[in-house]
Amino acid sequence: AQTVTQSQPEMSVQEAETVTLSCTYDTSESDYYLFWYKQPPSRQMILVIRQEAYKQQNATENRFSVNFQKAAKSFSLKISDSQLGDAAMYFCAYRRYGNFNKFYFGSGTKLNVKP
Amino acid sequence: DTAVSQTPKYLVTQMGNDKSIKCEQNLGHDTMYWYKQDSKKFLKIMFSYNNKELIINETVPNRFSPKSPDKAHLNLHINSLELGDSAVYFCASSQASGKGPLDYEQYFGPGTRLTVT
Repeated sequence: AQTVTQSQPEMSVQEAETVTLSCTYDTSESDYYLFWYKQPPSRQMILVIRQEAYKQQNATENRFSVNFQKAAKSFSLKISDSQLGDAAMYFCAYRRYGNFNKFYFGSGTKLNVKP
Repeated sequence: DTAVSQTPKYLVTQMGNDKSIKCEQNLGHDTMYWYKQDSKKFLKIMFSYNNKELIINETVPNRFSPKSPDKAHLNLHINSLELGDSAVYFCASSQASGKGPLDYEQYFGPGTRLTVT
């Protein structure tokens, strides 16, 4: 069974600095997708970044980038130049390639941003 | 312009009551989901419907019954509410099939905070 593990329940970062959130997953599949979702206090789940497992190049979206290590089954999220608005819960998610497959979410990491 | 909407956003009710949460998406997706987020923020899938057909049914009490009148709507009815049902319930939608993550990406509703007293 697929599992997603986020080992850091909570992290803090100073405004304008860089922080990395960890995520590991367990799968026997070779084709899959990985996602990072952000959940601010408003509760709304917002997609931050996505990665296709067959792509070696790490995905980047503005200040957000990932370090995807397929062999290690690791998918960390780096937030550069942290802003107060980045404070939120961050969830890592896995989805196997193919139709009708469900998402597996990690337990989340709460990110605090200090001014 | 709301992509995935849920009503109500807040629901406070007493044990034993029956309640429903409605979800609608205007993204043209063919698959919809219900998730439960507990007090520890753990997000767990409950059900998934594809074109009105149930395709994922996790271990959920029979008191929970989803209904999909069409592929744009997925409602959740809960009978005989219990204290442990208190949580935030999220509706989401996506395409079941596609060529890449843009197709599979899930769009979430704003959530419904259910409090059972």
